[in-house]
Amino acid sequence: DIQMTQSPSFLSASVGERVTLSCRASQNINKYLDWYQQKLGEAPKLLIYNTNNLHTGIPSRFSGSGSGTDYTLTISSLQPEDVATYFCLQRNSWPLTFGSGTKLEIK
Amino acid sequence: EVKLVESGGGLVQPGRSLKLSCAASGFSFNDYWMGWVRQAPGKGLEWIGEINQDSSTINYTPSLKDKFTISRDNAQNTLYLQMSKLGSEDTAIYYCVRRGWCDYWGQGVMVTVSS
Repeated sequence: DIQMTQSPSFLSASVGERVTLSCRASQNINKYLDWYQQKLGEAPKLLIYNTNNLHTGIPSRFSGSGSGTDYTLTISSLQPEDVATYFCLQRNSWPLTFGSGTKLEIK
Repeated sequence: EVKLVESGGGLVQPGRSLKLSCAASGFSFNDYWMGWVRQAPGKGLEWIGEINQDSSTINYTPSLKDKFTISRDNAQNTLYLQMSKLGSEDTAIYYCVRRGWCDYWGQGVMVTVSS
């Protein structure tokens, strides 16, 4: 199985700050990497698919990049409503595997 | 509007079975692979398995293969997850997911395994 390692596991940042979350795969996943946002008590919501494609309705302050084994989710200007846990998911090979998440809070 | 609504969860005794359903609407159900994901309380996400459009291909995460059976009824626009020999480790929220980009998720249904 491909192991997905997210860092940091916890992040505290100020409103308006640029925030970067990382996800590292144990092998090349060919950009089949998605990012999800999960707010407390809610189902995960797709933000970014295939590394850098913004899902419908997602604000443009979210962006993704990466290749090979290393991927990044960036929030260009953190907003209060961005408080959530963020998960990455690799869809390159079966079984699909998620990262353990980054919990983001407002400082 | 795409909607996925899970049902069938609840409290179940260890060793028993349970079948979850996911009612789909707002899209052409028989055009999509579908899947199930679970999340134990306070934990991360775990992919259970997926099924293709005509049920000819079903993939399970190997560590979970003996416990779960995924099926679908395209006439009823419904996805199913049959769970057997449940243990406390299966206590989780179970989500139905539209595959492809895994772009739509249900709200989840809670399954609690306890005596």
